Amino acid sequence: DQQVKQNSPSLSVQEGRISILNCDYTNSMFDYFLWYKKYPAEGPTFLISISSIKDKNEDGRFTVFLNKSAKHLSLHIVPSQPGDSAVYFCAAPGRFRDMRFGAGTRLTVKP
Amino acid sequence: GAVVSQHPSRVICKSGTSVKIECRSLDFQATTMFWYRQFPKQSLMLMATSNEGSKATYEQGVEKDKFLINHASLTLSTLTVTSAHPEDSSFYICSAPPRGGSVGYTFGSGTRLTVV
Repeated sequence: DQQVKQNSPSLSVQEGRISILNCDYTNSMFDYFLWYKKYPAEGPTFLISISSIKDKNEDGRFTVFLNKSAKHLSLHIVPSQPGDSAVYFCAAPGRFRDMRFGAGTRLTVKP
Repeated sequence: GAVVSQHPSRVICKSGTSVKIECRSLDFQATTMFWYRQFPKQSLMLMATSNEGSKATYEQGVEKDKFLINHASLTLSTLTVTSAHPEDSSFYICSAPPRGGSVGYTFGSGTRLTVV
């Protein structure tokens, strides 16, 4: 059961523009959501999180929006930089504190 | 911050041999460690949860006898892929749950296993 879904496998944006990565979920019981960034052959690194009781969390260039009624969240990166190029995973904690990941979106920021 | 050290980062082994992957929590004690596997262009899928001092719990479809997990101390969890076959070639990553008020899980750097 894929409880966290990322339907866009890739996204390409120009440097300086906004990157918007989307994520949908099916389990309304998730307490919070996280975004991870992953480079090839490395483990994911935590980027930003949002509690299920909030609709927005901002940290520098990164902002995550949560729409509970739509069971949808998005990560906005502005301005995008070439160093942001990576695979981004949306995730939520499972019942036993394991992490449930989406399929990931590969972001490419072109100079 | 919390650091999980994972070794080896890359290993190539012959079919039928066993490979051990280690994950150490360097500056904290991890009573729980999650083991994930990622196939090319796919997401990270939970394989099993190791708990210090007790048996690991495995996700449905993961063979317990093939993927041996040991969590003998609060700072070390190991995954041994026994009698490896080419289909076991994958990227294996361990993860420790957050501590204190943090929500971010700490991941190891991953192990790329190639079985030839």
